[in-house]
Amino acid sequence: DTGVSQNPRHKITKRGQNVTFRCDPISEHNRLYWYRQTLGQGPEFLTYFQNEAQLEKSRLLSDRFSAERPKGSFSTLEIQRTEQGDSAMYLCASSSGDAGHAYEQYFGPGTRLTVT
Amino acid sequence: KNQVEQSPQSLIILEGKNCTLQCNYTVSPFSNLRWYKQDTGRGPVSLTIMTFSENTKSNGRYTATLDADTKQSSLHITASQLSDSASYICVVSRMMDSSYKLIFGSGTRLLVRP
Repeated sequence: DTGVSQNPRHKITKRGQNVTFRCDPISEHNRLYWYRQTLGQGPEFLTYFQNEAQLEKSRLLSDRFSAERPKGSFSTLEIQRTEQGDSAMYLCASSSGDAGHAYEQYFGPGTRLTVT
Repeated sequence: KNQVEQSPQSLIILEGKNCTLQCNYTVSPFSNLRWYKQDTGRGPVSLTIMTFSENTKSNGRYTATLDADTKQSSLHITASQLSDSASYICVVSRMMDSSYKLIFGSGTRLLVRP
């Protein structure tokens, strides 16, 4: 158990509906990341928070996607007007960002989204 | 273009046998290279992390090697077990990104049969 939790674990929705996922990072970690993973591929970076500040967003994150981390703890990822191409595993990871090499990112179990 | 390529795409071995997975990368400037294990339907779990100055690192039956000159890494699994069946993902971090943005390979799917 890595300590990062995500909810829900699975979500099935109809095209055009909005969905929201939640990520609870390891409590002392100030950095939080969202990734998307499609079948047979490695995860792709979506966005990154340091505390409550969203420092970077990938071009993959269209205007239908929004992520927040209002209090610098948990984060939410919302997808509006879902499309079938949004079907994927959405992974959250957190890291401490301590000085030193190679900040270790700890991944949650992911939320599997299926858009019908 | 910053890329990470893994081979083979999939591999089937018998329980107890050894195997080696390969990773080639073109990421520059290089910061560190990680190997993750991902069970089906789960998030990736880190196995090893290596910086450019490290050329080998072990974690139990897993041994990773890194040749920063040729930009190649390998993951060797010794005495495979059924629980080793998973995807193994090679991930490279770019130095300028301060390790917060990782570049993932597509993974090697390993199936260990009894």
